[in-house]
Amino acid sequence: KNEVEQSPQNLTAQEGEFITINCSYSVGISALHWLQQHPGGGIVSLFMLSSGKKKHGRLIATINIQEKHSSLHITASHPRDSAVYICAVRSLRTSGSRLTFGEGTQLTVNP
Amino acid sequence: DAGVIQSPRHEVTEMGQEVTLRCKPISGHNSLFWYRQTMMRGLELLIYFNNNVPIDDSGMPEDRFSAKMPNASFSTLKIQPSEPRDSAVYFCASSRTSGLGSYNEQFFGPGTRLTVL
Repeated sequence: KNEVEQSPQNLTAQEGEFITINCSYSVGISALHWLQQHPGGGIVSLFMLSSGKKKHGRLIATINIQEKHSSLHITASHPRDSAVYICAVRSLRTSGSRLTFGEGTQLTVNP
Repeated sequence: DAGVIQSPRHEVTEMGQEVTLRCKPISGHNSLFWYRQTMMRGLELLIYFNNNVPIDDSGMPEDRFSAKMPNASFSTLKIQPSEPRDSAVYFCASSRTSGLGSYNEQFFGPGTRLTVL
């Protein structure tokens, strides 16, 4: 079992829909990241959080430390949101700044 | 700031050749990370440096891989000899890490797409 699991693996939505991507992890963590990778391959850090909720534009990330679960929400989705969304955690078990990654969720938003 | 700079962006080489990938982190960042991304294994950390010192190299696949950071503004990842299974996208990322347990987000470079024939 992977330390970080994401669901769904693939998600197709219509423009305007509310989207939720989930991330579950099995280890104690000090931080969780949400990353976005566009079709061109570039990776952008969306959020880093260790508790509660963060919001940036149409993106909202939440984390529940007790349940070892995080969600990434996209409101009013747009075709330009189409990308792979990757969850990564900084485990308390490992040294320093090592991140463990989920397999990613491929999101396609159709016009 | 120009962000994390990697070169080359694409590299095609033949099996057995030496490959050197280069990375310039964001100025002022003191942590540097090398990642590899493949379809089969996703993103994997190869090695990371803090203040130019290698902290965790447990992700380096084997002795054919080596990484150096001679100064705060430059790092290399070398593969010698290269093999077809090394074909992947290699990302460099940097962050500013201060104090024990203090940790900030990582900024990724555009990646180097390596193809070993």
